[in-house]
Amino acid sequence: DSGVTQTPKHLITATGQRVTLRCSPRSGDLSVYWYQQSLDQGLQFLIQYYNGEERAKGNILERFSAQQFPDLHSELNLSSLELGDSALYFCASSGPGGPNQPQHFGDGTRLSIL
Amino acid sequence: DQQVKQNSPSLSVQEGRISILNCDYTNSMFDYFLWYKKYPAEGPTFLISISSIKDKNEDGRFTVFLNKSAKHLSLHIVPSQPGDSAVYFCAASASNYQLIWGAGTKLIIKP
Repeated sequence: DSGVTQTPKHLITATGQRVTLRCSPRSGDLSVYWYQQSLDQGLQFLIQYYNGEERAKGNILERFSAQQFPDLHSELNLSSLELGDSALYFCASSGPGGPNQPQHFGDGTRLSIL
Repeated sequence: DQQVKQNSPSLSVQEGRISILNCDYTNSMFDYFLWYKKYPAEGPTFLISISSIKDKNEDGRFTVFLNKSAKHLSLHIVPSQPGDSAVYFCAASASNYQLIWGAGTKLIIKP
């Protein structure tokens, strides 16, 4: 158990819809990272938050947004969903040392767009 | 443009033998490298890392070797055990910014 909780585990929705993925980091971790993993691909870094502030941004689409709340949980919002957004979305958390610190991953949310 | 490449999608190794997983990178600014392991239906788990100032790092059965001139790193698992069957991801970063991940290699340990 990594200590990182992601909900929901599975999400099925239709094109054009909007969804919110939620992540609770490991106790004491201030950094939260969001990743997208499409079929048989590596993890694509989307965005990092540190203690409520955006720290780094990857190839995150404009239709996607995220935030980290004062209790340190984070949400990833995906809107105007397209078929190509079907993927596994992982959240990870780490201590204050940045992405070189071992990241602790949740078990992911599998998003299926019909 | 794939900056981190794991050219072998899968690898099959006999239990007890050595497993060698390879990773190549193109960005000479990468200065930190990590290996993660992933079981089905779970998130990746950190395994071992190496800074570019070293050429080897060892942790129990796991050793990572870095060849900067060849822009190549490898993960050695000795001896291989059934529980090592998983997907292994190589990841790299430059100046502790975002991690760039390879596509993964599925390791199968045969009894």
